Amino acid sequence: TQLLEQSPQFLSIQEGENLTVYCNSSSVFSSLQWYRQEPGEGPVLLVTVVTGGEVKKLKRLTFQFGDARKDSSLHITAAQPGDTGLYLCAGAHTGNQFYFGTGTSLTVIP
Amino acid sequence: NAGVTQTPKFRVLKTGQSMTLLCAQDMNHEYMYWYRQDPGMGLRLIHYSVGEGTTAKGEVPDGYNVSRLKKQNFLLGLESAAPSQTSVYFCASSYSGGLATIYEQYFGPGTRLTVT
Repeated sequence: TQLLEQSPQFLSIQEGENLTVYCNSSSVFSSLQWYRQEPGEGPVLLVTVVTGGEVKKLKRLTFQFGDARKDSSLHITAAQPGDTGLYLCAGAHTGNQFYFGTGTSLTVIP
Repeated sequence: NAGVTQTPKFRVLKTGQSMTLLCAQDMNHEYMYWYRQDPGMGLRLIHYSVGEGTTAKGEVPDGYNVSRLKKQNFLLGLESAAPSQTSVYFCASSYSGGLATIYEQYFGPGTRLTVT
């Protein structure tokens, strides 16, 4: 049983398009993180959100934590081929144990 | 700094064989983790450690054992490998952050294990 479900599982878009990835759970998390993973490598942290309703922007990436701290979204504006990768959300109930989502594999076609 | 390193990078085992995966970090982090990654399931926590000499079970601990004899090393053992343990294994470490409650995990490059 996955605590965190991500949608869509796969996404293939043209360069320049916008997209949104969702991370949903029935559990409340004290913090939620988004990671990006490239083939053959480990995940790399993009952002951490801790407050319900919080919005963080990282260049063309916008992250939002749901008001109830049960869900999150990642929006990418004007996607580029360099955005290609596996996007993972991870939630923590306490500080030291994370539950990862099922992942969204993004391909941006030039 | 090398960050988090894992050895070996690839391994093929026959059912019933044993092996140990080694994770090393040079960032003086207190916390270390072992995950497995399978298609469509993200990463699942096997075991973790909050300090030297301490370990705890994660989501999927069965069939695995761990040891943290030195702060910088975290070993994952498979005593009797099974085909269901075919996976990519990732080690991660994080700082405790003192009063902070948010932990960024730094991941190694992974070990691809196949059990036939």
